[in-house]
Parts: sequence; structure tokens; C-alpha cells
Amino acid sequence: KQEVTQIPAALSVPEGENLVLNCSFTDSAIYNLQWFRQDPGKGLTSLLLIQSSQREQTSGRLNASLDKSSGRSTLYIAASQPGDSATYLCAVSWETSGSRLTFGEGTQLTVNP
Amino acid sequence: SAVISQKPSRDICQRGTSLTIQCQVDSQVTMMFWYRQQPGQSLTLIATANQGSEATYESGFVIDKFPISRPNLTFSTLTVSNMSPEDSSIYLCSARDGSWNEKLFFGSGTQLSVL
Repeated sequence: KQEVTQIPAALSVPEGENLVLNCSFTDSAIYNLQWFRQDPGKGLTSLLLIQSSQREQTSGRLNASLDKSSGRSTLYIAASQPGDSATYLCAVSWETSGSRLTFGEGTQLTVNP
Repeated sequence: SAVISQKPSRDICQRGTSLTIQCQVDSQVTMMFWYRQQPGQSLTLIATANQGSEATYESGFVIDKFPISRPNLTFSTLTVSNMSPEDSSIYLCSARDGSWNEKLFFGSGTQLSVL
């Protein structure tokens, strides 16, 4: 069964700390992996998309890496700020599932001032 | 990137009634999707809304309960029919412009509570 797991479920850090969010997936035959941010009561904002042929993507203070062979992706957030507080979701599109995305359950991040 | 307007943003409904959620995209998009996010859980795909044809439903979701329309390349609706408290969730529409290897964009969601 194709599944996406995110650990930890919740994370609380002081402002300014660098942090890593983890995402693992059960089948390495992926098309792409996407990281999203969800604020309470809101929709999802796409942060980074990594194609299966790529190893990482960067946007500002965010860096996402992909290791297909081990079935893992990480989202690195540098110099965290209180405004980064949100739930971060990773989603995988597999070769056998076409355009459909399978989401992890998310990591709820709190950055304390 | 596409901007998606979704309404209503929230609603409280009585058991047995139906609610239609609308999703408008500011540009033509090839693919639109409807997701459900139950309390404390992640997103589950309900169906893919196909322009000019019937929607493609995922396992566990049926057209009679969740009829979907997609009259053109910028608009879609999802109806939650004959609602029960178990339908209380956030419903989100999303869109992708181009191939499946492109980013997925989301509306702001509809928070539905069924009494």
C-alpha cells in the first residue's frame, strides 16, 4: 500500500532555530513530491515541488530534499520565525497513481518568539 | 500560479440538507480536484472534476452523495447531499495547470458543520 508518513506530528522550537521536518513514503516509484503549508482554518499553500529526477529544491529559507531510494524527503527551514508557525504537509504523486496526490498527516510547527 | 476562490468559507447545516460549494479559478486549468479533510486528519481525494464529462470518484466516494460539476475550464462545484454529522469536514478544491508534474494549487477551503 502506498503511504506517506510525517514525523514528528508536532514540533515546538524557539525563534531563530534551524529545523528539519521529515516525510517518508513506502514506494520509491514516484513522479514528484510536494510540500505544502496549511494555516488554521485555511487552504493549502504550495511551498516546493521536487520532481523524481531532482535531489533538492530551494525557495528562500526553505530547502526540500528528496532521496527516492530510501523513500524520504526533508524540509529544512532556516532561521525560523513565529510566522512560520503552521502545519506542514508533504504529498506524493506515484507513477501508478497518475495525477493523484497522497498526503501525509502533517507536522504542526510552533515557533515561539 | 493560479488563484482559486472558494465559497462559502464556512457553513452550518441541518442534517438531511445539501450544500453546494463553488470553486472559481482565475485562469483556465486542465485539472481540478476536490478533497476532504476530516478533523485532525490529512487530506483525502474525493474526485477529479473533468471538464465536459463526469467526475472520476475515488474509492469510498459516490456520485449520488457528492455530485460534481465542471462546466468549463475555470469553474467547478461540489455538492454534499443528504448531510449527516459525519460529513462535518473541511472541503477543499484544487487545480493544476498543465501536466501532473506541475504544482497543485488550493482554494481556501469550506469549513462545514452538520448538526
